[in-house]
Amino acid sequence: DTGVSQDPRHKITKRGQNVTFRCDPISEHNRLYWYRQTLGQGPEFLTYFQNEAQLEKSRLLSDRFSAERPKGSFSTLEIQRTEQGDSAMYLCASSLGTTQETQYFGPGTRLLVL
Amino acid sequence: GESVGLHLPTLSVQEGDNSIINCAYSNSASDYFIWYKQESGKGPQFIIDIRSNMDKRQGQRVTVLLNKTVKHLSLQIAATQPGDSAVYFCAENSGGYQKVTFGTGTKLQVIP
Repeated sequence: DTGVSQDPRHKITKRGQNVTFRCDPISEHNRLYWYRQTLGQGPEFLTYFQNEAQLEKSRLLSDRFSAERPKGSFSTLEIQRTEQGDSAMYLCASSLGTTQETQYFGPGTRLLVL
Repeated sequence: GESVGLHLPTLSVQEGDNSIINCAYSNSASDYFIWYKQESGKGPQFIIDIRSNMDKRQGQRVTVLLNKTVKHLSLQIAATQPGDSAVYFCAENSGGYQKVTFGTGTKLQVIP
């Protein structure tokens, strides 16, 4: 399967714990995006990488959230001191790196904070 | 702020009939639109896209229509099948860093 992959697919954690999610984009895709989706809503943009550079962060991305893409390939999203309100589906997408292009999404990581 | 929204939250269609899902957008500067299909527990799946210099684009069993005058987008699915049951999102890509703005989605239910 050469699509976007995410790991883990599901994560249950207790409030206050740290969690880290991984995204592997489609190979040769330069751009990588993180989104968050809550039940019944569309995905909301969190942040975006062009190769290893993080170029944009949404106001939704509080100080407890950090994302990295150290080698311009896979990316990690870490949430520190999780809160119940962080419970959501975290989606990763990637695209080639041209204008007006399609973003291809992974299956998501569903987080439940107890 | 700019937003993309849908007129109908739920659409029930008989198997074999055509489905039409509508979407309104508010950013008149938007120049690229995408329809995604999302099945339960999965990530959004690209269906079809259209650029603002077009008013119609056809794919396999799907057609997207764009009316820039009234800022309206629609997705037509021909001969709807049970496998088409999902939530459909229209999304706007406004250039720059390519952030995609999604609406709240329309749930399509196909009745066998």
